[in-house]
Formats: sequence, C-alpha cells, structure tokens
Amino acid sequence: DGGITQSPKYLFRKEGQNVTLSCEQNLNHDAMYWYRQDPGQGLRLIYYSQIVNDFQKGDIAEGYSVSREKKESFPLTVTSAQKNPTAFYLCASSIGTPQGDEQFFGPGTRLTVL
Amino acid sequence: QKEVEQNSGPLSVPEGAIASLNCTYSDRGSQSFFWYRQYSGKSPELIMFIYSNGDKEDGRFTAQLNKASQYVSLLIRDSQPSDSATYLCAVPTSGGSYIPTFGRGTSLIVHP
Repeated sequence: DGGITQSPKYLFRKEGQNVTLSCEQNLNHDAMYWYRQDPGQGLRLIYYSQIVNDFQKGDIAEGYSVSREKKESFPLTVTSAQKNPTAFYLCASSIGTPQGDEQFFGPGTRLTVL
Repeated sequence: QKEVEQNSGPLSVPEGAIASLNCTYSDRGSQSFFWYRQYSGKSPELIMFIYSNGDKEDGRFTAQLNKASQYVSLLIRDSQPSDSATYLCAVPTSGGSYIPTFGRGTSLIVHP
C-alpha cells in the first residue's frame, strides 16, 4: 500500500528539549511539506522540499529545522527555540506540478509541551 | 502574502439539504483549486479539485469556480450527518512554486 506515515502519533516534550517528528512516504513523490495546525485554524506551512537535498522555509519556520537526505523521508525537528510548539503537525507529499496538485497527508503527530 | 478566506462557521444544515461552502482568494494567477475534508482529529483528504471556470460535479459534490470574481465554492447535495467535518479550501500560488495556501476552513454540521 502506498501512503505517508508519521510517527509518533502523540509526543510529549519538556521545555528546553528538541524533538524530531518522522515522516516517510512511498508514493515516489518529489515534493514534501510540513504543516502546523492549531485548534480552529487552517494549515500553516513550516517547511517544504521540492527535491532531495533541498528545502525552503515556509511561513512559520522559526524554531524548526528539517532535512531531506532521501526522497522518501522528511523529518522535522522542533527545537527549544520554538516557544509555543503545542500543536497538531501534518506531513504531506505531492507529485509537484507547476500549477499545483493534490497533497496526500499523513495521519499527523500531536505534540504537547509539558 | 497570498490570502485564502473562508467563513469559519459553523454552518448548520438539516439532513438532505444542500450545503454551500465558499472560498475567496487573492492571487489572480492561481490556476488550480482544491477542497479538502478534515474530520475532527484526523488529517485532511482531497474531495474535489477544479481548474476551469464553471462547475465540476462528482457524485453529491459540485465545485464552482469564478476566476473573474476570485471565488470557488463547494456544494454538497443531499447532506448527510457523515458530511459533518471541516472543509478546507487550498489555492496553490502562481509563479511556478505550486505551494498551496490553505484557508482556515469552514465547519459544517449536518443535523438529522
């Protein structure tokens, strides 16, 4: 089965800790994305990657970091510099056509700061 | 900053009625438009996309696009309680980057 997996489903972080959220896809998609969703809000773009070994900041990149060493994987690190990290984090992928295309989402990781 | 606006709702309709969800966007160069459905606590899933002006129908769903007025709408006919969810409008930016901007979503409640 093709799809996107995220782990863990729930994550608890103490203040001052860095944590890494996993995202893996086997859809052979070039583009991958990380979004943050707060209650009652839409999706806000953190980082995106259009090709391996390259990524771009989104609208709210401060306090986050990513890597794209493999086409299938796009992990997100939430650093201690992110002051309000409690949120629902969604990873997505798409083929990557110039006019825009369907995004496929993983099941999400819910991060809570203790 | 490209903007996508949706009424947050909630929009409440009785079972069997037509639900009408609207979305306006600021980027005149946008070429494609997507509607996602998101159940509470779950991730979004695509239900409709539209590229051309006019209507596109898929089962009980109809997407309507008016590029001159910069709005796209989603109609759900014969609404069912299982349609109760948040509906997100997504508009990729023009200029070749295809990165979508999402609206905040409209919460739809279909009551029996």
